[in-house]
Amino acid sequence: AQSVTQPDIHITVSEGASLELRCNYSYGATPYLFWYVQSPGQGLQLLLKYFSGDTLVQGIKGFEAEFKRSQSSLNLSKPSVHWSDAAEYFCAVGDNYGQNFVFGPGTRLSVLP
Amino acid sequence: NAGVTQTPKFQVLKTGQSMTLQCAQDMNHEYMSWYRQDPGMGLRLIHYSVGAGITDQGEVPNGYNVSRSTTEDFPLRLLSAAPSQTSVYFCASTGGIGRTDTQYFGPGTRLTVL
Repeated sequence: AQSVTQPDIHITVSEGASLELRCNYSYGATPYLFWYVQSPGQGLQLLLKYFSGDTLVQGIKGFEAEFKRSQSSLNLSKPSVHWSDAAEYFCAVGDNYGQNFVFGPGTRLSVLP
Repeated sequence: NAGVTQTPKFQVLKTGQSMTLQCAQDMNHEYMSWYRQDPGMGLRLIHYSVGAGITDQGEVPNGYNVSRSTTEDFPLRLLSAAPSQTSVYFCASTGGIGRTDTQYFGPGTRLTVL
């Protein structure tokens, strides 16, 4: 069975600073990986997804992620954080049939003015 | 398109009461699923459906029932609510049984069981 860990429960950065959120997965086959963002009281919005090919994936809102098979990771980054990026971020892995998504526990991002 | 809609947005139940959380999508998606979200635990899959008439259990199915009589609707039933079912519930749908498809999430239902 697949699993996802997000080592950082809460991260605080200053507006304009760079950001990296970590995600590690465990899955026996080729992983299908996703990053979602959830603003307070809202549903989840897909930021980006990785299935294969180029290990650097571009997402929405200026986010990107780098897949590293050797580290079983898909870390999310953004060069300059905006106050509106304050939210909770979830990494998820889907199985080969796209039927069972497993989510990580989430990382809450706070942004200082 | 309205996307994925959920009703109600908020609900308070007493222990032992029953209720149905509604979920509908207008994107003609085959795959639908229900998750619960609890602090520090991310989202956990309750039940899912790969098409009308077909449902299966996810990671945490106990205490919940589902049915899928139409492509559009996927209700989640709590037959006898318990305080442990206090959570935020999200419905999601995916275009096909394909790993490249994106899940679209509804806005959630916040349920409190007293």
